[in-house]
Amino acid sequence: TQLLEQSPQFLSIQEGENLTVYCNSSSVFSSLQWYRQEPGEGPVLLVTVVTGGEVKKLKRLTFQFGDARKDSSLHITAAQPGDTGLYLCAGVPNYGQNFVFGPGTRLSVLP
Amino acid sequence: NAGVMQNPRHLVRRRGQEARLRCSPMKGHSHVYWYRQLPEEGLKFMVYLQKENIIDESGMPKERFSAEFPKEGPSILRIQQVVRGDSAAYFCASSPQGTRETQYFGPGTRLLVL
Repeated sequence: TQLLEQSPQFLSIQEGENLTVYCNSSSVFSSLQWYRQEPGEGPVLLVTVVTGGEVKKLKRLTFQFGDARKDSSLHITAAQPGDTGLYLCAGVPNYGQNFVFGPGTRLSVLP
Repeated sequence: NAGVMQNPRHLVRRRGQEARLRCSPMKGHSHVYWYRQLPEEGLKFMVYLQKENIIDESGMPKERFSAEFPKEGPSILRIQQVVRGDSAAYFCASSPQGTRETQYFGPGTRLLVL
């Protein structure tokens, strides 16, 4: 059973489109992190969200942390081929100690 | 500012051999974590170390796997008597002292067991 669920599992869109991917849990997290991983490379940290309801923007990427700190979303505006990759959410649940990862959303942006 | 370094990037071993994977954390980071990523699967926590201490090894297989982070030098993940099921990408991450929430990852070592 995954502590963090991500949806959709796969997403293929055209350049210029907008998209949102989701990260959900039944557990409360003190913070959540989003990473992007490209083939053959390690995950690269994009953002950390800490406060319930928090919204953070990173150029065309908007990250939101749910009010109850159980879920998060990543919205990409005007996607570009360079956004292609595996998007992972991760965090340490309040009751636990280990850093857990979701299974990821594999995004493909076609030119 | 050098990031997390891992070597080798690719490692091929025959069944029964030993694999040694090395990780140098980011400068100033004293916490190291090892993860395994199987093809088409997510990252799974293996072990969390500080200098000369294993803090949490709850994700490590009970046999054949060991990890260390000596006072001097890189952290080492050691797999003895490798089997084909050990083939995976192994990632190391590091974080500053006092936080597990923000981890920076290395490029990984891809282990292939023939």
